Amino acid sequence: SSELTQDPAVSVALGQTVRITCQADRLSLYYAGWYQQRPGQAPVLVIYGKNTRPSGIPDRFSGSYSGNTASLTITGAQAEDEADYYCSSRDSSDSHLRVFGGGTKLTVL
Amino acid sequence: QVQIIQSGAEVKKPGASVRLSCEASGFTFTDYYMHWVRQAPGQGLEWMAMINPSGDSTTYAQKFQGRVTMTRDASTSTVYMELSSLSSEDTAIYYCARDLTRLWFGELLPEYYFDYWGQGTLVTVSS
Repeated sequence: SSELTQDPAVSVALGQTVRITCQADRLSLYYAGWYQQRPGQAPVLVIYGKNTRPSGIPDRFSGSYSGNTASLTITGAQAEDEADYYCSSRDSSDSHLRVFGGGTKLTVL
Repeated sequence: QVQIIQSGAEVKKPGASVRLSCEASGFTFTDYYMHWVRQAPGQGLEWMAMINPSGDSTTYAQKFQGRVTMTRDASTSTVYMELSSLSSEDTAIYYCARDLTRLWFGELLPEYYFDYWGQGTLVTVSS
């Protein structure tokens, strides 16, 4: 099995840019999905694959990869972006299994 | 529009089983893999199970092997998840989610992403 490692918490000033990272073996090969979860709500897919935004997701959200690290970047963070963010991908040794990162709590100051 | 509507909250005693359901609409049900994901109070997301579009193949997280059964009914566009031998550690919100399934040379293959989620079902296990 594999693990996806995320920083527990990150903060950003309103209107500034923030990067949330997710690290795991071969992540740049399999790619990751990113989910935003506001308190009391179901997760919402915001980025998947190389850098694809589902319909309705603002273009301030983007994804990138470097080595074994996937990053979610919010350019010009808004107050409504304050939420928990999770990455997900397949297990590095078994393509049928899925795995989530531990989540990153984003605070917008 | 895509909708995934889950069954209502459950309260169970330790050792019991629970069966959850989610009814899908707004898309061709038999063209998509489906998943169950859970979230314990104050904790992160945990993937549990996946079922293929035809319902004849399932994959379970090792942690739940032997305790979880995922099924689907194409006639009602409904996915089910039964979890047995419940303990207090199974207290969580359980989500049903659609897989961003792709068509590859005529074969439906699962992706690694969940593009639509149900509203969640709270399961409380308490004596």
